[in-house]
Amino acid sequence: DQQVKQNSPSLSVQEGRISILNCDYTNSMFDYFLWYKKYPAEGPTFLISISSIKDKNEDGRFTVFLNKSAKHLSLHIVPSQPGDSAVYFCAASATGSQGNLIFGKGTKLSVKP
Amino acid sequence: EAQVTQNPRYLITVTGKKLTVTCSQNMNHEYMSWYRQDPGLGLRQIYYSMNVEVTDKGDVPEGYKVSRKEKRNFPLILESPSPNQTSLYFCASSLGSVQGGTGELFFGEGSRLTVL
Repeated sequence: DQQVKQNSPSLSVQEGRISILNCDYTNSMFDYFLWYKKYPAEGPTFLISISSIKDKNEDGRFTVFLNKSAKHLSLHIVPSQPGDSAVYFCAASATGSQGNLIFGKGTKLSVKP
Repeated sequence: EAQVTQNPRYLITVTGKKLTVTCSQNMNHEYMSWYRQDPGLGLRQIYYSMNVEVTDKGDVPEGYKVSRKEKRNFPLILESPSPNQTSLYFCASSLGSVQGGTGELFFGEGSRLTVL
């Protein structure tokens, strides 16, 4: 059973507009969430994270929102740029899981000029 | 330059021929982990290590072995590879466990393995 779900395999957005990537989770023990970005032929790179004690974390053009009651988080990219085109992975972990980070299947974002 | 280095980057082998994918990090990280990426399945954790001589299974450990004899190295061993282990493998490291507030994992560039 998938504990971290990214239901949209792909997303296409116009340059300058907002990109919203969504992630749902089922395990209520998850209390730390991360987003990673992956370009082809490269390893994933850390983008932004959020602890369950917060509902929002912002870093430049990237903002992650967490809705614990809905077990849902989203990554907003504003404004979107062509260089943001990549696969985005949502990941989650639980205190005491000793580093077992569970990843979603990823969403491929395409930002068109 | 801080990095996680995996070798080989590409390998084609045959069923049953033992192989090792090496992973080395130069950041003095305590935590290291192996993932495999498959189409439609995302990244799945194979094994992880909290420190030297401390390893534990992830979600898909079957058919793999690991060792952590020294802090910088975390090799992935396939004793008898099978075609279902054809995948893209990533090694990753971080300063502490994800829950330690140092959740940023640094990934290697990946090793594409094909088992015929």
